[in-house]
Amino acid sequence: GESVGLHLPTLSVQEGDNSIINCAYSNSASDYFIWYKQESGKGPQFIIDIRSNMDKRQGQRVTVLLNKTVKHLSLQIAATQPGDSAVYFCAENMEYGNKLVFGAGTILRVKS
Amino acid sequence: EPEVTQTPSHQVTQMGQEVILRCVPISNHLYFYWYRQILGQKVEFLVSFYNNEISEKSEIFDDQFSVERPDGSNFTLKIRSTKLEDSAMYFCASRGNSPLHFGNGTRLTVT
Repeated sequence: GESVGLHLPTLSVQEGDNSIINCAYSNSASDYFIWYKQESGKGPQFIIDIRSNMDKRQGQRVTVLLNKTVKHLSLQIAATQPGDSAVYFCAENMEYGNKLVFGAGTILRVKS
Repeated sequence: EPEVTQTPSHQVTQMGQEVILRCVPISNHLYFYWYRQILGQKVEFLVSFYNNEISEKSEIFDDQFSVERPDGSNFTLKIRSTKLEDSAMYFCASRGNSPLHFGNGTRLTVT
């Protein structure tokens, strides 16, 4: 069956350092991947997405890398700030499909 | 920036009671969803809705659950007879030709 999972449940980083959050997916038919950030008491907030015809996409301070060979997705956050502290979820989908499947989540803690 | 709004933010109900969770999706979106998140766990898909009908539902979405789009702006989730295990955050989401946008959720507590 489909599943999306994360290697590290909690990641602590020093303010200003770069963060890397990893995710493994198992459905090789998935062709669209999204990273969401969830702050306490709020819904998931879109960060960045990537289609399977790409292996890298950059946003503002964030980069998503996709390795289809090993079915691995990562989110890199440059110069991590206290406001980046949250739970980060990867999610996979067939593009424009009806169901987004979420991974288990990684807690990112930023130490000042 | 337009956003998905959900009401109430917190709902407390007794086991066996019916609850209706309400959502106003982003106005030009055509695809609507409900997800839930049990405390400390991942976000789980419940149901998707398009063109006034359910397009997909999970095994969680049993006969106790129903969705409705009663007018052009609201999208509701009804749980007919709540169970203790229905306690969770319920998120509404919508999309057009865009990534899924989520509301801030309704915390349902069943006592």
